[in-house]
Amino acid sequence: GAGVSQSPSNKVTEKGKDVELRCDPISGHTALYWYRQSLGQGLEFLIYFQGNSAPDKSGLPSDRFSAERTGGSVSTLTIQRTQQEDSAVYLCASSLAGATHNEQFFGPGTRLTVL
Amino acid sequence: GENVEQHPSTLSVQEGDSAVIKCTYSDSASNYFPWYKQELGKRPQLIIDIRSNVGEKKDQRIAVTLNKTAKHFSLHITETQPEDSAVYFCAASRVNNNDMRFGAGTRLTVKP
Repeated sequence: GAGVSQSPSNKVTEKGKDVELRCDPISGHTALYWYRQSLGQGLEFLIYFQGNSAPDKSGLPSDRFSAERTGGSVSTLTIQRTQQEDSAVYLCASSLAGATHNEQFFGPGTRLTVL
Repeated sequence: GENVEQHPSTLSVQEGDSAVIKCTYSDSASNYFPWYKQELGKRPQLIIDIRSNVGEKKDQRIAVTLNKTAKHFSLHITETQPEDSAVYFCAASRVNNNDMRFGAGTRLTVKP
């Protein structure tokens, strides 16, 4: 079946512009995560959605970052007034709530470059 | 919330040698510990996991061990091959609670 998809795959933007990154999770997965991975670095947790519960936003690095998940499915991560340090790969993952294990399935990522 | 620490950050071994990566966690209620492998330019994928009702789990050349008392778990790769070269991430969460946190990753290089 279809896995997690993300768009765009690459995004180049100018400093100060806003960007929107999209994630389509696996159908039926109620948990959705956003991570940031800078070049050669680990997975930095950004935000986590679980069903209809309030999202865990504890990983968002600043108020320029926000995310929404509409209808419990598609999610968008918005970065306002982008800075060069925002350049990274943004990974989305989803998992099936209530499963006997919590395997996260990752999307291919969006590579963001801020000039 | 959960905090996971992972060591070492980089590891280089000769082909055929063993590799060990260690993680510690902070939440004593965590009971699910997966390991993900991320090859260069690809997405992370689950390679093995362990739950707290067992102390060790093996799958061919890879094994995980868990010490709940000490709150640490390890990944062991035996007879390493060049295709094992990748970044490995550990993680911890509670089963049926999807709030999972990852370690910072270990870049493993297997030299032929």
